[in-house]
Amino acid sequence: AQSVTQLDSHVSVSEGTPVLLRCNYSSSYSPSLFWYVQHPNKGLQLLLKYTSAATLVKGINGFEAEFKKSETSFHLTKPSAHMSDAAEYFCVVSDRNDYKLSFGAGTTVTVRA
Amino acid sequence: DAGVTQSPTHLIKTRGQQVTLRCSPISGHKSVSWYQQVLGQGPQFIFQYYEKEERGRGNFPDRFSARQFPNYSSELNVNALLLGDSALYLCASSGHLENTIYFGEGSWLTVV
Repeated sequence: AQSVTQLDSHVSVSEGTPVLLRCNYSSSYSPSLFWYVQHPNKGLQLLLKYTSAATLVKGINGFEAEFKKSETSFHLTKPSAHMSDAAEYFCVVSDRNDYKLSFGAGTTVTVRA
Repeated sequence: DAGVTQSPTHLIKTRGQQVTLRCSPISGHKSVSWYQQVLGQGPQFIFQYYEKEERGRGNFPDRFSARQFPNYSSELNVNALLLGDSALYLCASSGHLENTIYFGEGSWLTVV
């Protein structure tokens, strides 16, 4: 069975400063890993995904994540936060052969002006 | 192309009633999944359907059921509603050769 742990329930940053959202995963097989973002009262939007190609994955809106198998981590970063980045972020894992997604508890990002 | 569409967007039901939620996948996608997101939590997997067959079921009671139609659209039914069923219900679709899952905007269900 696969699972993810998001290490921070809430992250607060100033506009223009870096953002780091931490995620550790557990998977019995070669995992697929994703980051999704959810703005208030909205559905889920895919930011990026890792599926065993390059370990550094670039996504939309300047986000990127690095897959580290030795650390079982998949942390999400952005060099410079924007006010529009304020949202809930979910780290997600799935078994490569199973489209079921297992979500972390989420990290709420607030951006200070 | 249209994304995953869900209806209704919001609804209020009374305890004990039944509800049906509808989902249309992205054109060409044959797999549909349902997730429940309770306020303040991450989504939880309910069902996955592929080619009209149930491929997976999460840890939900038998009050929850679903089906997929020949055009790959899907319905989620919940019987004997409880207050705890109040949540955002998300539908997602994916193609056969990719494991990226695309979500709809969801249906907000409030049980009073």
